[in-house]
This record gives sequence, C-alpha cells and structure tokens, in this order.
Amino acid sequence: NAGVMQNPRHLVRRRGQEARLRCSPMKGHSHVYWYRQLPEEGLKFMVYLQKENIIDESGMPKERFSAEFPKEGPSILRIQQVVRGDSAAYFCASSPPVTQETQYFGPGTRLLVL
Amino acid sequence: ELKVEQNPLFLSMQEGKNYTIYCNYSTTSDRLYWYRQDPGKSLESLFVLLSNGAVKQEGRLMASLDTKARLSTLHITAAVHDLSATYFCAVDGGNQFYFGTGTSLTVIP
Repeated sequence: NAGVMQNPRHLVRRRGQEARLRCSPMKGHSHVYWYRQLPEEGLKFMVYLQKENIIDESGMPKERFSAEFPKEGPSILRIQQVVRGDSAAYFCASSPPVTQETQYFGPGTRLLVL
Repeated sequence: ELKVEQNPLFLSMQEGKNYTIYCNYSTTSDRLYWYRQDPGKSLESLFVLLSNGAVKQEGRLMASLDTKARLSTLHITAAVHDLSATYFCAVDGGNQFYFGTGTSLTVIP
C-alpha cells in the first residue's frame, strides 16, 4: 500500500508565476489536508478536502491560493502569482473516513520562489 | 483558535540520559498525536493518544496524555544518537490538526 504521494518534490518558480502542487492520498483515504511549514516552524493548516468538496479552508490565504480534490485524480493546491513569502514546504496528509486515526503525511513539496 | 505550546524548543542531551518534552494546549481535546521529523523529510507518526490517561511506549520513547491538565509528555529514556530529530505534538481540532512549534532534539555522544 503506497503512502501519500506528492509531486513535485521540489519546485522553483519566479515571482508572478503559478505553482501547482499535487497530492495523491493513501489508498482508501478520502480525506485530504494541506499544511504549510515555514523554516524552523511547525505546520500550519491550510485546507481540508473530501472528494469534490472543500470542508474547511479557514487556513487558506484569501487571495491567490486555491485547492481542489476532484472525483478522479489527485488533490491540487494552486498558488497564483507567487511571491517570495510563499517559499515553504507544503505537506499533504490523508486519513481514512473513520475518525480518530492519525493523519499520514506525504514527503512534501519544497517551493522556492526566486 | 487552539494554541499548542511545546517546550523546550531546543534540547541537547547526552547519550544515555533521560528527558521529557512537554506539550500544552489551550482547549479541550481528547486526541493528541506525536510526530518525528528528520531534516528535509516528512513527518513520521509516533504515537496516537485518544483518551485521558493514555500511555503508549515504543522503544526508548513513551508518550502520555492528561486531558484534564491539557498536557502531553514525550519521555525519552537512555537517549541514543538515532533519536536526534524534531518532535512535534499535534492536537485534533476537528477539521485540522494544530501543531506545536516543535522540539529540536540533538543527542550527543
């Protein structure tokens, strides 16, 4: 059973470009979470999705950031017109429908904005 | 917003010694999780604590949860170099996990 997969693992963008980060949850998991980690800090929640639904996006910046989890295919975190402050590690986690399980984290995408 | 505080933030300890990392949180929750992160890597799940008084042990690490005090501890026994990493606690806030700031542990010979 493959774990949570994320790609790309590293992404370099120039200011103003778009960044697309992908996450495939573990098999059987229908809940996906995105977190951002700045250097030397803990993880900060961004958004929680289930298939075709955004459940909680209270941690998402109001502008330039969007997320989706379509019926088919991976979850995507999209950052438009990136700025240097978007440079961070973005982690995706998944969990099964049954609550109280831990969240399983992917390897992360490290975004560098030049 | 639920706040999670860990201390210490940095911990340097000698091999063979014992130490405890503390995780305090601000709002009632019955579910707390411990993770380990190596530099440049993802988070590895260590412990899942689901009720007051829960205690879990794996090797040299033992975690406990006191929901009344809103406190979890991660106790390290007879530290070895392989335990050097950053340790995070996370509290289940419903739709998200709230993470502590992390404790960077270095075990020195």
